[in-house]
This record gives sequence, structure tokens and C-alpha cells, in this order.
Amino acid sequence: ETGVTQTPRHLVMGMTNKKSLKCEQHLGHNAMYWYKQSAKKPLELMFVYNFKEQTENNSVPSRFSPECPNSSHLFLHLHTLQPEDSALYLCASSPSGTGELFFGEGSRLTVL
Amino acid sequence: DQQVKQNSPSLSVQEGRISILNCDYTNSMFDYFLWYKKYPAEGPTFLISISSIKDKNEDGRFTVFLNKSAKHLSLHIVPSQPGDSAVYFCAARGFGGATNKLIFGTGTLLAVQP
Repeated sequence: ETGVTQTPRHLVMGMTNKKSLKCEQHLGHNAMYWYKQSAKKPLELMFVYNFKEQTENNSVPSRFSPECPNSSHLFLHLHTLQPEDSALYLCASSPSGTGELFFGEGSRLTVL
Repeated sequence: DQQVKQNSPSLSVQEGRISILNCDYTNSMFDYFLWYKKYPAEGPTFLISISSIKDKNEDGRFTVFLNKSAKHLSLHIVPSQPGDSAVYFCAARGFGGATNKLIFGTGTLLAVQP
């Protein structure tokens, strides 16, 4: 139990579908993150939220839409994705001002 | 352009010997470096970190060394155990601030042979 929970763990979707990934943290952290991990590539930072406000959008295509209703929950809404978007999507949280991220177990996304 | 590089995709070590994982970075503004460990089907977990004002940090079997002039850090695991077999990611934090913009390397798969 890492304190950061992601659902679903696995998702298969067509290019015209609309789906969402959910992340929840019970650690009392103020910052939440979405990272993407593709095969043989570094973890890529997608979005950062601090106290529910988006502070970073790392040039992510608009077919990925994040939502942070409160400091404990983070969503990634997916719409008209491409097969190359298939990857492991990792959510993380951190207390403000420290160096350590706490990761969830990831959502494995496959786009057909 | 990768700012954090792990040039060895894999490493195999005998149980009881030392494992040395290497990481190079390009940006001298990074102020904090971390190592994460990842098992299959799990998220990365924090292992050890070092501030840019230090050159060594030790935690049990794990020691991280930082050579700022060479922009190089390494993780030493001694003695290595089969349970250490995992992918190890090096990460660097950029530019301070309230959130942690960690930039990761591609990872090194460590296999510790019994």
C-alpha cells in the first residue's frame, strides 16, 4: 500500500472512446502529478497540480485533459487517443517543498 | 535532449557483490537527485536521495555518490541481494519551487544472480 491509488490498473480503449483515469492519495500531500512511461523512454512529466491549481503542462496534447477537484484526487480524461499513446500512466503526490514523489502503481493503457 | 541519462540499460551482478548504477546529467542547476526502484507491475518507490551540496549519502546497503564537476552520480548497493533485482531510475529535481519537477533517466535493469 503506497498511499497513492490508481484506477483502473488496466484499460483498453478504441481511438474514438472517452475514458478517465483516476488517482487518489491519502497522504495529505498538496501536490499531484501525472507521468507517462513508454517503453525504453524516461518517465515523462505531463501535468503538475499544487493546491488544486495546475502549475505545469508539459506540452501535452489536448486529447489528454487533467482535472484536480481537490488535493486528494486527480483525474486524466482521455479522448480520441492514438495508438502511440499506449503507455503506463503514473500518478504521484508529494508534500510541497520536498524532493520525494510517492507513486501509484500505474494505469496500463492500450489504445487500439 | 535528455537531461538525465542512464547509459546502461541493464546490469547483472552476483549475490553478495557490489552493484554500481550510474547516471549522468547535463543541467548544473539541478539541486536534488533521487534514485527510485521499480518492480514489474508496481509504481516506482523512493530509495535514496542526495542534495547538490553533498557528495555522499548512505542508507544501509545503499550509498549515493555525487560528482558535481563531472555531472555524475552513482548508486552503490553492497552486498547485493536477489530482492534488489528491479529497474532503477535516476531522477533530478530542477529549479526548486513548491512542486517537484523530477526529470528521470530511462532506467537500468539490475539482475542479482543467486
